[in-house]
Amino acid sequence: GESVGLHLPTLSVQEGDNSIINCAYSNSASDYFIWYKQESGKGPQFIIDIRSNMDKRQGQRVTVLLNKTVKHLSLQIAATQPGDSAVYFCAENSGDPPFGNEKLTFGTGTRLTIIP
Amino acid sequence: GAGVSQSPSNKVTEKGKDVELRCDPISGHTALYWYRQSLGQGLEFLIYFQGNSAPDKSGLPSDRFSAERTGGSVSTLTIQRTQQEDSAVYLCASRLSLLGADTQYFGPGTRLTVL
Repeated sequence: GESVGLHLPTLSVQEGDNSIINCAYSNSASDYFIWYKQESGKGPQFIIDIRSNMDKRQGQRVTVLLNKTVKHLSLQIAATQPGDSAVYFCAENSGDPPFGNEKLTFGTGTRLTIIP
Repeated sequence: GAGVSQSPSNKVTEKGKDVELRCDPISGHTALYWYRQSLGQGLEFLIYFQGNSAPDKSGLPSDRFSAERTGGSVSTLTIQRTQQEDSAVYLCASRLSLLGADTQYFGPGTRLTVL
């Protein structure tokens, strides 16, 4: 079946370095992807999204890259800070017409730890 | 309110009891979602509402699970005859509408423990 998965379950990065979190998806019909950050004891927090008609989108210290050829999504965090330590989830829309993007399928998540 | 709120934040119950979880979405958001998150896992879609109707209930794990939404606002997720495998964090999210690519905003979740 269709699924969204992550290559690495854990990632440790030195404070100040850049981090890259990867995600593979298998639903070729998906046209909308989101990255969420979840801190301990909290609900997921929206970070950045991208539509399939784009290859790259930048936010504040974050960049999402989409490679539709190999169905790969990545989240780059620049100049990491201790507050970036969290679990990061990618999600893809999996809704059916007529509503379209109403249902998200989440990956398992990657735990990012920033080392002071 | 400023964000999605859920209550209770924690619920401990005995196997076989019924529980009711509540979600207050962001004011004006017409779409509301329920997810379940088991320890160390991703989010499992349960059900969503557009207004008061639930077009897709396919994610509900069993007929012990039900949800309703009234007045296009508050939603309750009810689990009857709880089982230990129901233990998880139940997350609610709301979205401005189903049209366009606006994102879902999550509440803090309700941690359910079934003993």
